[in-house]
Amino acid sequence: AQTVTQSQPEMSVQEAETVTLSCTYDTSESDYYLFWYKQPPSRQMILVIRQEAYKQQNATENRFSVNFQKAAKSFSLKISDSQLGDAAMYFCAYWGGSQGNLIFGKGTKLSVKP
Amino acid sequence: NAGVTQTPKFRVLKTGQSMTLLCAQDMNHEYMYWYRQDPGMGLRLIHYSVGEGTTAKGEVPDGYNVSRLKKQNFLLGLESAAPSQTSVYFCASSYWSTEAFFGQGTRLTVV
Repeated sequence: AQTVTQSQPEMSVQEAETVTLSCTYDTSESDYYLFWYKQPPSRQMILVIRQEAYKQQNATENRFSVNFQKAAKSFSLKISDSQLGDAAMYFCAYWGGSQGNLIFGKGTKLSVKP
Repeated sequence: NAGVTQTPKFRVLKTGQSMTLLCAQDMNHEYMYWYRQDPGMGLRLIHYSVGEGTTAKGEVPDGYNVSRLKKQNFLLGLESAAPSQTSVYFCASSYWSTEAFFGQGTRLTVV
């Protein structure tokens, strides 16, 4: 069975600084996709970034980028120039192509200090 | 564009009662998912469906049943509610491996 592990329950960053959230996963599949979702206090789930496992190039979306290390099964999220609105729960997620299941890690609560 | 709609938004049940949560999506998505979210546990997959008429067990399926008779609807049933099923439930849908769209959540309390 696939698993997703986020080892940092809470993180804190100063406004305008950079922070990296960690995620590791375990799978025997070759076809899969990885995601980072953001959940603010409103409970709405918002897609931050998506990575195809077959692509070597790391995905980027404006201030958000990932460091995808396929051999190490690591998928970290870097947030640059942190803003107050980035404060939220961040979830790493895995989608497996053979089964179609979408599973999540336990999340990291990010605080942004002004 | 409604997206993913969950019904109801809040519910209080007595132990042993049954109920059904409805998830409806209007994006013609093949994949649909039910999760529960508890503090410190993230989102745990209960059941999911890869198309009309199909269902599969997720990480925490015990005590729940699902049905997907129509492509746009995914129902989650609790046959005999227990206090351990007190949680916030989310439904989501996606087109294959692309972005999953989530409902607004259902807060269920079992007393």
